[in-house]
Amino acid sequence: SQKIEQNSEALNIQEGKTATLTCNYTNYSPAYLQWYRQDPGRGPVFLLLIRENEKEKRKERLKVTFDTTLKQSLFHITASQPADSATYLCALDMSGSARQLTFGSGTQLTVLP
Amino acid sequence: EAGVAQSPRYKIIEKRQSVAFWCNPISGHATLYWYQQILGQGPKLLIQFQNNGVVDDSQLPKDRFSAERLKGVDSTLKIQPAKLEDSAVYLCASSLVPEGELFFGEGSRLTVL
Repeated sequence: SQKIEQNSEALNIQEGKTATLTCNYTNYSPAYLQWYRQDPGRGPVFLLLIRENEKEKRKERLKVTFDTTLKQSLFHITASQPADSATYLCALDMSGSARQLTFGSGTQLTVLP
Repeated sequence: EAGVAQSPRYKIIEKRQSVAFWCNPISGHATLYWYQQILGQGPKLLIQFQNNGVVDDSQLPKDRFSAERLKGVDSTLKIQPAKLEDSAVYLCASSLVPEGELFFGEGSRLTVL
């Protein structure tokens, strides 16, 4: 069955460092992958979308890579700040035709001042 | 632009009782989703609507859950009768196109005692 795995439930890094979060998936090759941020008590907020024919996407301090051979996406936050502390979710279109997003369980990032 | 509206934000009920959640998506968004998010997990898709038609409800426990989307706009999700394991946050999301970014509401937190 399809599976999405995000690295370690929690990640702590020092302010100013680069945070790298991992999203691995099995079996299915999605047409695109999305990353969301979720703060406690709030709904997820869209950050970036990357398609299968794109290797890398950037938005300000955020960078996403998509390796369809490794079945992996990496999400980087450069020059991290305490305000970046949140749970980050990756989501994949696992359905093929119906365009449904399946979410991973998320990685809780804490940026320490 | 107004976001996705959900109500109520919080609901506490006893098992075997019923509950209903309401969602008003962003104006013009044809696709509407209901997700269930259990504490510590990623959102799990329950049902997806395209306009007022159901695209997928394969993960909706149909013996107790029902959902409808009136005139392709507002949607309600009902649980009857509720079980303890239904305690979760119920997130509504909408998107302009099925493969686009999802806009989430703040969620409705259900506690079943």
